[in-house]
Amino acid sequence: DVKVTQSSRYLVKRTGEKVFLECVQDMDHENMFWYRQDPGLGLRLIYFSYDVKMKEKGDIPEGYSVSREKKERFSLILESASTNQTSMYLCASSTGPPRGYNEQFFGPGTRLTVL
Amino acid sequence: GENVEQHPSTLSVQEGDSAVIKCTYSDSASNYFPWYKQELGKRPQLIIDIRSNVGEKKDQRIAVTLNKTAKHFSLHITETQPEDSAVYFCAAGGSARQLTFGSGTQLTVLP
Repeated sequence: DVKVTQSSRYLVKRTGEKVFLECVQDMDHENMFWYRQDPGLGLRLIYFSYDVKMKEKGDIPEGYSVSREKKERFSLILESASTNQTSMYLCASSTGPPRGYNEQFFGPGTRLTVL
Repeated sequence: GENVEQHPSTLSVQEGDSAVIKCTYSDSASNYFPWYKQELGKRPQLIIDIRSNVGEKKDQRIAVTLNKTAKHFSLHITETQPEDSAVYFCAAGGSARQLTFGSGTQLTVLP
């Protein structure tokens, strides 16, 4: 079974804090993704990575950055958290070449609240 | 970029009836269309997907149809059961190497 884990299920931070969300997958997947999920908006892609040290912007990258130093780990960074970044954050991974879509396996999510 | 619209946002059906969820997409280059199910408090999981060289795909009580000319695809669930209650997301994948998700449909199966 593919296992995707995220560092925290719930996180509460203050406005202006730097926030790190970590995701680890254990199936040697090439591709990793960060989404945020908000009611009525579905899943929106923040960033994705198809190889170590490679990253591409998704649809809503503003206010976020990412890091992929190792194949199994993909980190999402909020440089200066703001209240509009309060959301559920989902990490996912998939195998295969970037243009050959395959099933994405999701982590359990991190519910981030920014006060 | 790609834009995916999903309808309805909520759907209630009686147990045993059928449920249909529809999605439209904008990028004619999209060629991969998965559906994910997310039960309350759980992570999304793939339930079925279809690629653009196929018009219909079926897996037990679940089927997906694709109309590339009209740029829409649909999820059909027959003989619905209480465990089908969940949020369903459609998505489209094309030349941008990323999936674009719809806004989700909350399906409630009433006993």
